[in-house]
Amino acid sequence: SAVISQKPSRDICQRGTSLTIQCQVDSQVTMMFWYRQQPGQSLTLIATANQGSEATYESGFVIDKFPISRPNLTFSTLTVSNMSPEDSSIYLCSARRLAGVDNEQFFGPGTRLTVL
Amino acid sequence: AQKVTQAQTEISVVEKEDVTLDCVYETRDTTYYLFWYKQPPSGELVFLIRRNSFDEQNEISGRYSWNFQKSTSSFNFTITASQVVDSAVYFCALSEAAGGKLIFGQGTELSVKP
Repeated sequence: SAVISQKPSRDICQRGTSLTIQCQVDSQVTMMFWYRQQPGQSLTLIATANQGSEATYESGFVIDKFPISRPNLTFSTLTVSNMSPEDSSIYLCSARRLAGVDNEQFFGPGTRLTVL
Repeated sequence: AQKVTQAQTEISVVEKEDVTLDCVYETRDTTYYLFWYKQPPSGELVFLIRRNSFDEQNEISGRYSWNFQKSTSSFNFTITASQVVDSAVYFCALSEAAGGKLIFGQGTELSVKP
């Protein structure tokens, strides 16, 4: 498995501002993902972060609101833009290797975001 | 379309009871993976198991066991002799073989009382 770290672990932000969340994996991985978990809800995939190209967004999520970067095989960022209280959630970075039989998908500790 | 259903929203048991968490999935893929994760109150997502669609053998790991039944599209999770530390939200998830993205169920909140 791999270890994933996220920064910040939590933040309280004002409406209309933006926050960039960083995700660092301790080894190279094939796929990286960003999930959102709204209070008391399940996890929903925001997008797949593609190395060296634009992210692939799921229905209901757009690049202008959630720009994502993945400059290499171990690092990705998610920005939550022009925040509103509805963006208050836990944002989780996830990574997966597809090589061989190692298909475990592991998660970072999450970034707990509160928007006032 | 892929879908995961965890019909039990909340379960409450007394310590040492056995408890089974249900998971039913839908997919048109012939190759897929099923996962269980635990999310304790601290919020991190803890990987418990991954099962591929070609392996229907049941698995046991300590007090945990999993029953995979392709005929009923179910992947149920049993905790034997539950403990207070088992209190958490448990998620079942499904992914395509190569796509990697996980589709999560709604989660089951397990409360184990002393």
